[in-house]
Amino acid sequence: DADVTQTPRNRITKTGKRIMLECSQTKGHDRMYWYRQDPGLGLRLIYYSFDVKDINKGEISDGYSVSRQAQAKFSLSLESAIPNQTALYFCATSGTRPNTGELFFGEGSRLTVL
Amino acid sequence: AQSVTQPDIHITVSEGASLELRCNYSYGATPYLFWYVQSPGQGLQLLLKYFSGDTLVQGIKGFEAEFKRSQSSFNLRKPSVHWSDAAEYFCAVGAREYGNKLVFGAGTILRVKS
Repeated sequence: DADVTQTPRNRITKTGKRIMLECSQTKGHDRMYWYRQDPGLGLRLIYYSFDVKDINKGEISDGYSVSRQAQAKFSLSLESAIPNQTALYFCATSGTRPNTGELFFGEGSRLTVL
Repeated sequence: AQSVTQPDIHITVSEGASLELRCNYSYGATPYLFWYVQSPGQGLQLLLKYFSGDTLVQGIKGFEAEFKRSQSSFNLRKPSVHWSDAAEYFCAVGAREYGNKLVFGAGTILRVKS
């Protein structure tokens, strides 16, 4: 089983719909991140969380919200999806004991907004 | 602002030929550097990382990278490319001071011709 699991893996939705992408991890890491990937732009940070009570905006947080329900769970929501949010979304985790700096990624959630 | 530049969007090499993928960064803190690989339909896998010490680092699948502080570069190399190396490669930079938030380059797509 994957250490970082994202659901759903693929989703097609319509403009204006609310969408939630979920991420769970079994690595025991404190820190979790949401990135989006667009062709030619690489990965850009949407939100990150250093623990359950700590949520921070990343580079491109507009139009998104997150919830850290537990140490192991970090959800990304699009309250009213729009077509330019069509992208591949990645959840990632990192540990602090030890702090290696490395991110561990899920397999991605491909979202298409029509 | 922190940034990572991968100058080559696409690279095509013949199987068995050598490979070098370029990466330049701009980062205020003492960086640590990563190369990740993404095969089609897959998540990101860490190839190698540099934190400190020896500036030539070895990774998985026969890859290596050299950190050159004077050039702000962290180029990825492989002496002999295999068809299975065809994928997209991402350079990323981070720092413990910034909570392991990685900044990614736009990626380089590697095609291998037989």
